[in-house]
Formats: sequence, C-alpha cells, structure tokens
Amino acid sequence: KAGVTQTPRYLIKTRGQQVTLSCSPISGHRSVSWYQQTPGQGLQFLFEYFSETQRNKGNFPGRFSGRQFSNSRSEMNVSTLELGDSALYLCASSPPEETNEPLHFGNGTRLTVT
Amino acid sequence: KNQVEQSPQSLIILEGKNCTLQCNYTVSPFSNLRWYKQDTGRGPVSLTIMTFSENTKSNGRYTATLDADTKQSSLHITASQLSDSASYICVVTRYGNNRLAFGKGNQVVVIP
Repeated sequence: KAGVTQTPRYLIKTRGQQVTLSCSPISGHRSVSWYQQTPGQGLQFLFEYFSETQRNKGNFPGRFSGRQFSNSRSEMNVSTLELGDSALYLCASSPPEETNEPLHFGNGTRLTVT
Repeated sequence: KNQVEQSPQSLIILEGKNCTLQCNYTVSPFSNLRWYKQDTGRGPVSLTIMTFSENTKSNGRYTATLDADTKQSSLHITASQLSDSASYICVVTRYGNNRLAFGKGNQVVVIP
C-alpha cells in the first residue's frame, strides 16, 4: 500500500504570497489532518477533514484553510504569508473507523517564507 | 501550559548504550498514549501505543511504560544504534473527543 504523499517537498515563497500544499492519503483512509511543525513549538494541529467536511480545527488564523475532495485527497492553503509561517507542514491520514490505528504521516512540505 | 511535557529536550548517547525518555501529561480523561519516531526530513512513525490497562509494551529495542496514576510514560531504548538518532514524540489522546496533545519531542543523537 502506498503511504501518504505530500507535494511539493520544498517551497520558497515571499511574504504576502499565498501557497497551496497537497496531500494524498493512504488508499481507504477518509480522515486527513494537517499539522505545522516548528523547532520551538513542535507539532501543532491545524485542522482535520473527514468525508470532505472539516471535523476539527486548531487555533490558527483564518489565513490557514483547507479542503478535502471526494477521493479523500486534501489541500491546505495559506494566504498572505508571514515569516513565521516558515515550517514543516505535515499531513496525516487514518482509517475511518474508531480504532487504535496510528496516524500515518507523510514526509511533509518544508515551507520557507522570505 | 502544554498538556504533554517531554524530557530531556535533547541528549547525546554513545552507540550501544541505553537511554530513557520521559513523557508527563495532564490530558484527562485519558484514552491512549503513543510514541512516534521522527527521522530528520521524514514524517513521524508510530512505535508503540499504550492504553489505560497496559503498563509495558515492547517493539524490538524500544520499550514503553505507562503509569496512568501518575500520568507518566517512558520510552527506553536498549543497545542504541546510529539509526536511533531521531526525535521521539509523545502523543496523548483525550477520551471522548479523541483530540490529540503533542509533546515537543526528545531529540536523540547517537554517536559512534
């Protein structure tokens, strides 16, 4: 089974620009969640999507948004980029049933804002 | 205050030696606790999961313990190898809403 795929792996953007990151979950997984990881803060939850609906949301400003498509693929968008948005953005998928299955993470997109 | 605190923040150990990482949490009610290993440039990978009734679980050279009364967990690495160099992240699931609380990780560097 293919793992979680995130594209692109690296991005360099300028302040004020916007960016879209993509995540393809493991086949059969309908839940996709997004995380921001920085050295000082660790992993911070952005949002979770299940069957194209946002199920949970973290404490991030409205500049951060996401969506999920009918094939469970997900995108997240960050508008009006700030220097502090530089981070590793991780996507994770999990099976639809309530089990003790772990999150399956992609290898992330490294975003650098200059 | 973070609901999951890990210590030490970082450590350097000699290849072949053992080490223990600590995770203290305040999440309540408790559902489960996972340890993830994150290699540089990669996403985290689950090592173990501990539920309320379990107090020890092993995965190869990794052994996790859980004391649900004191809300503490540890991850013990036996006979460390260079490939154990990574960040180890403790993640606690809250019972009911399944919200996750993340520790900031223990950065382990194994040197030859």
